Amino acid sequence: QQQVKQSPQSLIVQKGGISIINCAYENTAFDYFPWYQQFPGKGPALLIAIRPDVSEKKEGRFTISFNKSAKQFSLHIMDSQPGDSATYFCAASSYGGSQGNLIFGKGTKLSVKP
Amino acid sequence: GAVVSQHPSRVICKSGTSVKIECRSLDFQATTMFWYRQFPKKSLMLMATSNEGSKATYEQGVEKDKFLINHASLTLSTLTVTSAHPEDSSFYICSARVQKAINYGYTFGSGTRLTVV
Repeated sequence: QQQVKQSPQSLIVQKGGISIINCAYENTAFDYFPWYQQFPGKGPALLIAIRPDVSEKKEGRFTISFNKSAKQFSLHIMDSQPGDSATYFCAASSYGGSQGNLIFGKGTKLSVKP
Repeated sequence: GAVVSQHPSRVICKSGTSVKIECRSLDFQATTMFWYRQFPKKSLMLMATSNEGSKATYEQGVEKDKFLINHASLTLSTLTVTSAHPEDSSFYICSARVQKAINYGYTFGSGTRLTVV
């Protein structure tokens, strides 16, 4: 019930295309859903995050779509660029809970071809 | 704002020695710090949760006597890998839950690459 399932494991997209990564969760107590970008040898960096009271959030080229009833959320990267090539992790937490730690998906390695 | 500074970024140590990794919150008070371990091409796995002034809570399968966590102040948490062995070689990352910030959430250190030879 604590798992966050992420797909696909890897993704190749042409420059200018749309990258879509999906995640699903089981724990209905989760109330914070961030996406992180990680480059090799670096710590994760927050891209965008959403709370369950909204169905979509957009920041620049990055959009989170959230489906509370299906317990799914996805990251859309519009106009993908080679510099977006990185590993992306979805995560979830019960932010206000006693533990409050993030549960991470297994990651998606994105390669954007020029 | 909400920056966590993690040091060292890389460390190589001999088998049997101990290594200390520090995480400092620079512009906020980190009452809770999470320590993660990441193997190559894998996801982040939570090792332990530390709260300032109390004992850390370790995840199942993590040896608390091997991975010593100290969170003595609101701005400093340390992870000491004791009697390190090659299988402890990994990428260690700390993260703090930001209680009061415009973009509240979690902030991560830049990670420490530990290599035990």
